[in-house]
Amino acid sequence: DQQVKQNSPSLSVQEGRISILNCDYTNSMFDYFLWYKKYPAEGPTFLISISSIKDKNEDGRFTVFLNKSAKHLSLHIVPSQPGDSAVYFCAATHASGAGSYQLTFGKGTKLSVIP
Amino acid sequence: EPEVTQTPSHQVTQMGQEVILRCVPISNHLYFYWYRQILGQKVEFLVSFYNNEISEKSEIFDDQFSVERPDGSNFTLKIRSTKLEDSAMYFCASSEEVAGLNEQFFGPGTRLTVL
Repeated sequence: DQQVKQNSPSLSVQEGRISILNCDYTNSMFDYFLWYKKYPAEGPTFLISISSIKDKNEDGRFTVFLNKSAKHLSLHIVPSQPGDSAVYFCAATHASGAGSYQLTFGKGTKLSVIP
Repeated sequence: EPEVTQTPSHQVTQMGQEVILRCVPISNHLYFYWYRQILGQKVEFLVSFYNNEISEKSEIFDDQFSVERPDGSNFTLKIRSTKLEDSAMYFCASSEEVAGLNEQFFGPGTRLTVL
C-alpha cells in the first residue's frame, strides 16, 4: 500500500545550494500534507505543512509546494546547510470526524548536505 | 520547549511476553497517537486516542494491542503477547485540541526487540 511515495531514497547536495525533495500521493481524500525531519535515534520532527486549499507555504528556508492535479508535493530547502542532513518524511492525512487524524508516511529521503 | 518523552528507550523481551511502552505527551495536548517503524520500512499509524477512548485504529492494532491513559500524564501501549514481527521502533505523538489540523509532535521512540 503506497499511498504516499518518496521515490528518491537519497539525495546529496552541496552546502548553499537548493535541496528539492519530492513526494507523490495517490489518495484523493488527503487534504493536509506535512514534512518531518528525522535524525538517527530521534523521533520525527515537524518541519512545515500545507493545506490542500493552498499551493505554497513558506517558513524561512523551507518552502512546500503542492500540485493537487498532479498529486505531487515538494519541499525546497534553500540555502542548504550541513545541519539539514537527515531523513525527510512526507506525510499526508485527511481530517477524520473524530478530530484526530492519522498520518500516512512515505518511506523517506535521506538528504546529505556536503560542506 | 515542551517535548514528548518515552520510556524505555530500548526494550528487549522474549516472544510471548507482555510489554508496556510508556509515553508522556506534551501537557496541554489532548490527542495522542502511537506509530511504529519496522526496520527499513515506513512509519505506520497504529492508534489515536482522545477523551479516554480510541478514536481510530489501523488493521495492525489487533486484539494483542491496547492503549491506556492511566493518569493525567502517561499514555501507554501494551502488547499482550509479543511476536517476533512486533520488533520495531514505537513512536508516541501528541497534538493540541485546536480548530483545524495541528502538527503531531513525536517522542524519541522505544526500540522493541522481540527474541
